[in-house]
Amino acid sequence: GAVVSQHPSWVICKSGTSVKIECRSLDFQATTMFWYRQFPKQSLMLMATSNEGSKATYEQGVEKDKFLINHASLTLSTLTVTSAHPEDSSFYICSASGTATEAFFGQGTRLTVV
Amino acid sequence: LAKTTQPISMDSYEGQEVNITCSHNNIATNDYITWYQQFPSQGPRFIIQGYKTKVTNEVASLFIPADRKSSTLSLPRVSLSDTAVYYCLVGDYGGSQGNLIFGKGTKLSVKP
Repeated sequence: GAVVSQHPSWVICKSGTSVKIECRSLDFQATTMFWYRQFPKQSLMLMATSNEGSKATYEQGVEKDKFLINHASLTLSTLTVTSAHPEDSSFYICSASGTATEAFFGQGTRLTVV
Repeated sequence: LAKTTQPISMDSYEGQEVNITCSHNNIATNDYITWYQQFPSQGPRFIIQGYKTKVTNEVASLFIPADRKSSTLSLPRVSLSDTAVYYCLVGDYGGSQGNLIFGKGTKLSVKP
C-alpha cells in the first residue's frame, strides 16, 4: 500500500510552546489529508480535513486557531498545536487520500505537554 | 455521513476463524466499506475494502450482502499477532470526497 510518513513520532514540549507535526505522502499525491486525535483506549476523533491549497475544514469543537493546519502541497500537510497545554497531550494521527479509493495513515505522533 | 456499529470486543483462540460484523444502515450509493487494523500507539493499517459481494486478499475476506447495510470482515486462522482493534469505515472513495469518521471499533483478543 501507499506510504504516509509522520514526523516526529513523539515529542515532549513545555506548556505554552507550539509544536509542529508533519505528514508526508511518500509515493502518491494526497489531494485530501485528515488529522485525528486519539486519547488512551478511545477511538480516533477527526479534527479536520484539508484539501491541497484550501483552508482546512474543522470538526465541531476543534479550535482552528489552536490547531493550525497547512496543506500547501500535494505531499505535505502540517498540524501546529499552538500554546500547548497538558490537556493537549494525545496521540495525533494523519491520513492521506489521493486517487485511490482508500486512505492511508501515518504512524502517529505522541505529544506530551509538561 | 454513514455511521457504523460494531461489537465492542471479541475473544478468539489461535488458529480459529474470526468474523467481525459491522452495521451501516445509512450507507450511501457512492460509499465504499473499508476495514482498518490498529495496534497500540500506531496508526491504523489498511486491511481490505469493498463495495459489494465478496472481496478477498492475502490477509482477509470481506462479505457484503446485496443491501450493503452490513459487512463482515473474516480473518482466517488468527494468531496472537492479530490482537488489535479493528475499525469499519464507510465513505466515498476513501474519504477524498468526504470525511473518514471512526466508530468505536472492535477490540479482538486472540488467546493461545
